[in-house]
Amino acid sequence: GEDVEQSLFLSVREGDSSVINCTYTDSSSTYLYWYKQEPGAGLQLLTYIFSNMDMKQDQRLTVLLNKKDKHLSLRIADTQTGDSAIYFCAEREYNQGGKLIFGQGTELSVKP
Amino acid sequence: DAGVIQSPRHEVTEMGQEVTLRCKLISGHNSLFWYRQTMMRGLELLIYFNNNVPIDDSGMPEDRFSAKMPNASFSTLKIQPSEPRDSAVYFCASSSGGIGEQYFGPGTRLTVT
Repeated sequence: GEDVEQSLFLSVREGDSSVINCTYTDSSSTYLYWYKQEPGAGLQLLTYIFSNMDMKQDQRLTVLLNKKDKHLSLRIADTQTGDSAIYFCAEREYNQGGKLIFGQGTELSVKP
Repeated sequence: DAGVIQSPRHEVTEMGQEVTLRCKLISGHNSLFWYRQTMMRGLELLIYFNNNVPIDDSGMPEDRFSAKMPNASFSTLKIQPSEPRDSAVYFCASSSGGIGEQYFGPGTRLTVT
């Protein structure tokens, strides 16, 4: 079945760039998403990319999509301690009524 | 809009008791998703509805779990009887279609002793 994989942990220094990677298996994905979860809170949509795009930039966030390799990445520029959270990538299954398949989440730790 | 509203935020109950979790969708949204999150299993989709109709309940663990949408803006997830292994954070999320983004509630932390 469809699967989304992420590495579990990433640690960076404040001010550095963070790159969180994700791979997926469903070649018919229409949209791919990045969500952020802070402790004790629900998931919050950060950004999304349509499957016919290669890149999307939104302030400090850059999303890169390599459809051939089924690889998605989220780059956070000038990472701050407030960016410490768990980041989930997700894909929307084609013709599945809006169901999203989530990865297991990457815990980003930003050290001062 | 207040966003997706869940109640209660925390629930502590004894094994065998019935638990009801509640969710209010964002106004105008027509899809509703129930998730469960634990350290061991991560985020799991339990069931989702489109226009009040259950579409996929394959993630519901067993018959002890049931979910309903009595109207277009409200849903309940019931566990009867509850067991310690049901302890988790339960999220609901709603969506209006379009690009398919889901908006999550703050979650209900359930502890079954």
